[in-house]
Amino acid sequence: ELKVEQNPLFLSMQEGKNYTIYCNYSTTSDRLYWYRQDPGKSLESLFVLLSNGAVKQEGRLMASLDTKARLSTLHITAAVHDLSATYFCAVDRFGRSGTALIFGKGTTLSVSS
Amino acid sequence: DAGVTQSPTHLIKTRGQQVTLRCSPKSGHDTVSWYQQALGQGPQFIFQYYEEEERQRGNFPDRFSGHQYPNYSSELNVNALLLGDSALYLCASSLFEGRGTQYFGPGTRLLVL
Repeated sequence: ELKVEQNPLFLSMQEGKNYTIYCNYSTTSDRLYWYRQDPGKSLESLFVLLSNGAVKQEGRLMASLDTKARLSTLHITAAVHDLSATYFCAVDRFGRSGTALIFGKGTTLSVSS
Repeated sequence: DAGVTQSPTHLIKTRGQQVTLRCSPKSGHDTVSWYQQALGQGPQFIFQYYEEEERQRGNFPDRFSGHQYPNYSSELNVNALLLGDSALYLCASSLFEGRGTQYFGPGTRLLVL
């Protein structure tokens, strides 16, 4: 059974600081997603990582994937308040007839001045 | 271009009742997946529909069933509601070919009393 673990689950940061969220998964997968969820809202797609060594950046967020270690990271650079949200990683459990996203529990990020 | 839409936005039911939730996919998408998100948890995969067939199913009982129509819209039905079914139900649409990124709708918040 595919399991996805994120840590930390809660993260309180000061504006301007850097930090990394980790996502480990238990079985081989060739596709990993990062989503953002604001309180009471739906999920917004941030990144899709398709291959070993893939790195994607958008603004102050950078995501990377190491398929051999079954590890993805989401790095936050010089945090600002607008980044406060819950971040989920999800691994694609691909079967012969369809796909399913298996999510971690999420990391709730709070950025304060 | 409308994104993924879901109805209703909120719903209150009592134990034992049945409920139907609806989802219209993003224009151009042909695949619909359903997820259940309990408070403070990551989304859990229920099932995925493509070409009007259930393609993959998560670990949910038979009380959870679905349907996809020729226009790609989808319904999630839950019978014999339990208190534990209270959650945010998210629909996501994607392109089956190429295992496209899943885009989420705003969700239906179900409360079972």
